[in-house]
This record gives sequence, C-alpha cells and structure tokens, in this order.
Amino acid sequence: GAGVSQSPSNKVTEKGKDVELRCDPISGHTALYWYRQSLGQGLEFLIYFQGNSAPDKSGLPSDRFSAERTGGSVSTLTIQRTQQEDSAVYLCASSSHVDTQYFGPGTRLTVL
Amino acid sequence: EDKVVQSPLSLVVHEGDTVTLNCSYEVTNFRSLLWYKQEKKAPTFLFMLTSSGIEKKSGRLSSILDKKELFSILNITATQTGDSAVYLCAGVNYGGSQGNLIFGKGTKLSVKP
Repeated sequence: GAGVSQSPSNKVTEKGKDVELRCDPISGHTALYWYRQSLGQGLEFLIYFQGNSAPDKSGLPSDRFSAERTGGSVSTLTIQRTQQEDSAVYLCASSSHVDTQYFGPGTRLTVL
Repeated sequence: EDKVVQSPLSLVVHEGDTVTLNCSYEVTNFRSLLWYKQEKKAPTFLFMLTSSGIEKKSGRLSSILDKKELFSILNITATQTGDSAVYLCAGVNYGGSQGNLIFGKGTKLSVKP
C-alpha cells in the first residue's frame, strides 16, 4: 500500500474487555513501532520490531499489553482486561531507515 | 536517561507572525534529530538534521541543529492558520532503546486569523 494503515480507526470497549489493534506497515519496511498518545501528551513509546530480532518491549506499561509481528509485516497490539487509563490514540509507524518514520492514522481507543 | 525537551509547550500567535520552536536533547549515541507536524492523528515528517549549523528549509519552515549546545529550532515565518498543529521533535539514539527514537512532548501552535 501507499502508506501505513491501521484498523480500526476507532474502538470503544468496556472496561475489562480485550482489544486487538492492527497495523499494516509500508511494504518492505523492516522496522515497526507502536506508540501511545494520551490527550494532550507526547508520544509514549511502547514496542519496536526490527526484522527478525527480538522486539524492544521496554515501553510496554504492563503485562496486559503485548504485541506480535507476523511474517515480518503486519503487527497486532493486544490489550487485555482494558482499563480506563488505556484510553488513548495508538499510533503505529514503520521505517526502512531509523531516521525517517512513517506514521499510520492511528486507532482511537476509548474504554468506558 | 535520554530525553528531549520542547518549549514552549503551547503558543498562540496571529497570522503573519514568525515563531520559533525549541528542542533541547540529551541523547546517547546521537545520530540525528527529527521534526514532525501532527495535525490530527498521524505525525508527518518535516526535517531530519544531522549536521550542526546547516539550515534546512521547506517553504516558510526552516530548522537548524546545534550539536555543541544540544538543541534545535524550528522557525515558521508568515504563519497561516494551516500551521496550527502540534510540532514534535525526536532525537535518534542509534542502537539505543525505545526503538532508537526519543520524542519530546511537543509544542502546540495555534495560529489565529
């Protein structure tokens, strides 16, 4: 595709439910990043995938958060037992060079 | 710990004004500094700076890096309402944590007609 795509664009869920957010990176990009952005806040790093290397999970806020990247392409961010503080925009980015990231449109998650 | 600090956090100006946004950084194994514009959800890339003192320009936007004093500025001249956005600065710590990028919290620019 022409750019990074994410789905769904909006997700409303009830507290305690699990959610899955999907990211389709630009074809050929080896690096994939997940960020979280709460209202009025900067980007909070969550997780980074680079090729076949073990992902950098240092930004995941709790063990309720996990992410996979299958076949070096599509990635899924899973949040289990969602809490209201998980409400945020979740942004995915991909890159072929560390200096330039291309961001997807994000998924706005609202936990009621 | 690596960090990137942007100032001011928010700024309100009128059309036609010139603004300067600041970004200071402490990044180990520093490789480059990036500027992004975020209007709705997805940040869009503006500039990548790797060398001190070399200005990068794109229309009314320009940016420069000072690797001695560890800061960068983003200038916008003759501002327009369409410049209203959050401007993000990020330092690249090649080989480091957080996927090599450390983002600042951003500067929210509001341009009034």
